[in-house]
Amino acid sequence: DIQMAQSPSSLSASVGDRVTITCRASQGISNYLAWYQQKPGKVPKLLIYAASTLQSGVPSRFSGSGSGTDFSLTISSLQPEDVATYYCQKYNSASWTFGQGTKVEIK
Amino acid sequence: QVQLVESGGGVVQPGRSLRLSCAASGFTFSSYAMHWVRQAPGKGLQWVAVISHDEGHIYYADSVKGRLTISRDNSKNTLYLQMNSLRAEDTAVYYCGKTIAGPTHAPIDYWGQGTLVTVSS
Repeated sequence: DIQMAQSPSSLSASVGDRVTITCRASQGISNYLAWYQQKPGKVPKLLIYAASTLQSGVPSRFSGSGSGTDFSLTISSLQPEDVATYYCQKYNSASWTFGQGTKVEIK
Repeated sequence: QVQLVESGGGVVQPGRSLRLSCAASGFTFSSYAMHWVRQAPGKGLQWVAVISHDEGHIYYADSVKGRLTISRDNSKNTLYLQMNSLRAEDTAVYYCGKTIAGPTHAPIDYWGQGTLVTVSS
């Protein structure tokens, strides 16, 4: 099975900071990668799919990039409402594996 | 609007069975692949299973193969997860999810609120 490794596992940044989360696949997955946001006590929300396509209604401060094995999610200007855990997920082949998550907090 | 409502969770003893349901509305259920994803208390998301729109393609996580069975009834707009030989490590909130597009190889754009399964003696 292809494994998905996210880093860091947690981060603390100030409002307005640029924040980047990375996700590395153990084998190439083309661009079959999604990013989800899960706020405390809430269900996950799709932010980005196909590695870089912003889901409808998601603020433009969120962006995704990458292809093959290395991907990133960037929040261009961190806002208080972005406090959440972020997960990457691959959706090619026969396993839809999630990364272990990155918890984002405000400093 | 899209609605997914899970039911059937509860407390069950190890080795017993449980069937979860997910009632779908607000979209053409028979046109979309559907997923089950679980989240153990305080832990991350774990993908469980996916079923194509016509049940022609079904895939499972290795950790549940042979014990959990995903199915659907397109006439009732309902997704199911039959859970047999339950273990303590199956304790989690179980979410159903709709794919953003028809094919199975697509991300989840709508999630239910989840149903809690607790496996304990």
